Amino acid sequence: QSALTQPASVSGSPGQSITISCTGTSSDVGGYNYVSWYQQHPGKAPKLVIFDVSDRPSGVSNRFSGSKSGNTASLTISGLQAEDEADYYCSSYTSNSTVIFGGGTKLTIL
Amino acid sequence: EVQLVESGGDLVQPGGSLRLSCAASEFTFSSYWMSWVRQAPGKGLEWVANINHDGSEKYYVDSVKGRFTISRDNAKNSLYLQMNSLRAEDTAIYYCATYYSGSYNALGSWGQGTLVTVSP
Repeated sequence: QSALTQPASVSGSPGQSITISCTGTSSDVGGYNYVSWYQQHPGKAPKLVIFDVSDRPSGVSNRFSGSKSGNTASLTISGLQAEDEADYYCSSYTSNSTVIFGGGTKLTIL
Repeated sequence: EVQLVESGGDLVQPGGSLRLSCAASEFTFSSYWMSWVRQAPGKGLEWVANINHDGSEKYYVDSVKGRFTISRDNAKNSLYLQMNSLRAEDTAIYYCATYYSGSYNALGSWGQGTLVTVSP
């Protein structure tokens, strides 16, 4: 199964908002409300920032929000801060009872 | 705070075997699904396998089916990944992770990872 499709990179200035898309199929993203988003800084383990499409784990800033339309999920980060610069990955449950990740998006703060 | 500590990563020749371990603490290990996720050098995340709370359900990515086996010992609060017939493309940092409480599919806590290198 191919990875979910994410843009390789996005960028934004401090204070601005950016959106990262994650496109799958009806067998994964479109079929279930089990999309998660992870933030990974260099040399660190991933950190969960959004689960079940739009829920935030405790302790995660409300600047992070998620949504889904059809086979595409999106992560929006508002009020960009320097510490948001990282790689971001989406993932989804699949119809085979497995998990699939996106290829990752590098967020650069200008 | 959930603690997950992986071990067992090493340099191994193609065709060789390796067993990874993940020691869990500070949560009720026996109640949670667990996963292994890997990341090749400079590449993205790839889910490898997961296992339900009592070990009766196991799922794998196609590329490791028949070669890798996920297991757990709830008495020892430990997760394992037996890797056989290793290939160069299995070279990666391997993370163990547990699901975020209340979610179905979100990995809320991760270990620091252990490096597996498959090379002659």
